[in-house]
Amino acid sequence: GQNIDQPTEMTATEGAIVQINCTYQTSGFNGLFWYQQHAGEAPTFLSYNVLDGLEEKGRFSSFLSRSKGYSYLLLKELQMKDSASYLCAVRDGDDKIIFGKGTRLHILP
Amino acid sequence: DSGVTQTPKHLITATGQRVTLRCSPRSGDLSVYWYQQSLDQGLQFLIQYYNGEERAKGNILERFSAQQFPDLHSELNLSSLELGDSALYFCASSVRTDGVKETQYFGPGTRLLVL
Repeated sequence: GQNIDQPTEMTATEGAIVQINCTYQTSGFNGLFWYQQHAGEAPTFLSYNVLDGLEEKGRFSSFLSRSKGYSYLLLKELQMKDSASYLCAVRDGDDKIIFGKGTRLHILP
Repeated sequence: DSGVTQTPKHLITATGQRVTLRCSPRSGDLSVYWYQQSLDQGLQFLIQYYNGEERAKGNILERFSAQQFPDLHSELNLSSLELGDSALYFCASSVRTDGVKETQYFGPGTRLLVL
């Protein structure tokens, strides 16, 4: 079957760095998405990785290793507004998008 | 404001009924995605259209159908509604750059309540 795993919850401190991991087993791979979603709001696209390596976008970076079926989202200089759910999703070989259950990130002052 | 619009914002209907949700993508975006988010199932991909053609299909029920029109807006039709169809329905549009890089933009969603 197809499976996306990410931690259910994480807690970090304002100003710190946090890494949210995502592992996947899918039928083929055509890309990996990261989204941020605040409670009661629509998701916000953060990144889309197709090739191995690190992509940096401001305070957020996303890493992909296709051979390991692994990705992480790195958030630096954490702010209170970063408290949200972070969703990892994989586009499989048929371009179907499969979501993980999401990681709820709590930021403490 | 993402530039993606969805109507209606809220919809309350009864079991057995049929509804149509509408999505207007950002100007120039050729891809439209539909997602369902319910409390117990999380976010689920339903279907993707690209320039009027179906591109990829997720776990979309047979009671649901969608299409993308020549002006690129899309509609999601939900029929024979059941209580379990109550959810948030999001639409997103996307643009690809450099052949592989893709950025998605989400609409605000339609909240459907089936009574």
